[in-house]
Amino acid sequence: EVQLLESGGGLVQSGGPLRLSCTASGFNFESYAMSWVRQAPGKGLEWVSIITDSGGSTYYADSVKGRFSISRDNSKKRVYLQINSLRGDDTAIYFCAKCDHSRPVAAYFDHWGQGTLITVSS
Amino acid sequence: DIQLTQSPSSLSASLGDSVTFTCRSSEYISSFLHWYHQTPGKVPKLVIYAAANLPSGVPSRFSGSGFGTDFTLTITSLQPEDFGAYYCQQSYSTPLTFGQGTRLDIK
Repeated sequence: EVQLLESGGGLVQSGGPLRLSCTASGFNFESYAMSWVRQAPGKGLEWVSIITDSGGSTYYADSVKGRFSISRDNSKKRVYLQINSLRGDDTAIYFCAKCDHSRPVAAYFDHWGQGTLITVSS
Repeated sequence: DIQLTQSPSSLSASLGDSVTFTCRSSEYISSFLHWYHQTPGKVPKLVIYAAANLPSGVPSRFSGSGFGTDFTLTITSLQPEDFGAYYCQQSYSTPLTFGQGTRLDIK
């Protein structure tokens, strides 16, 4: 059974950094791209970032480019999201999602974690 | 960036009804269009991938169609668990994008 478990969320001050982790199990982690998707309170889904199976390529939403950094450790079956210079509009549930492909093109999210909430305070 | 526009933004329907949602892309995206369902407080769930394909475990009352820029998701014989929000998502090019969602409520 595929499982994705996010951690690292919490209440943080505006301007601060935070690192989210997602630990995967139940599938061949190193064969699939992994992504982060967020959802602000009462709002829709917003794609944030994706990393290819090897970690060799990363992509970001325009809204987070330059502040967010995605990485992965295939030996630990983990994907990370480093967030810097947190802003109020970063307040959201952050979901880790497994892609069905090794790369972004044509990929869809076939499994999702439960999400971790980041609340940014001023 | 590719913009996805979903319509309607909200819809009310009764149990047993059939409903159709639309997702229109600002650019050509082939069949790289996927649909997700989310109920309040729950995790999104994939219901259609690559425009018209049903994932394992998703009931056959769900169907999708479309190619290029215009796509639809149809649900027949609505069940209580079908209500909530539906989102389309494109993976033709990065940045990946979601539509703004359609909320399906019980009439």
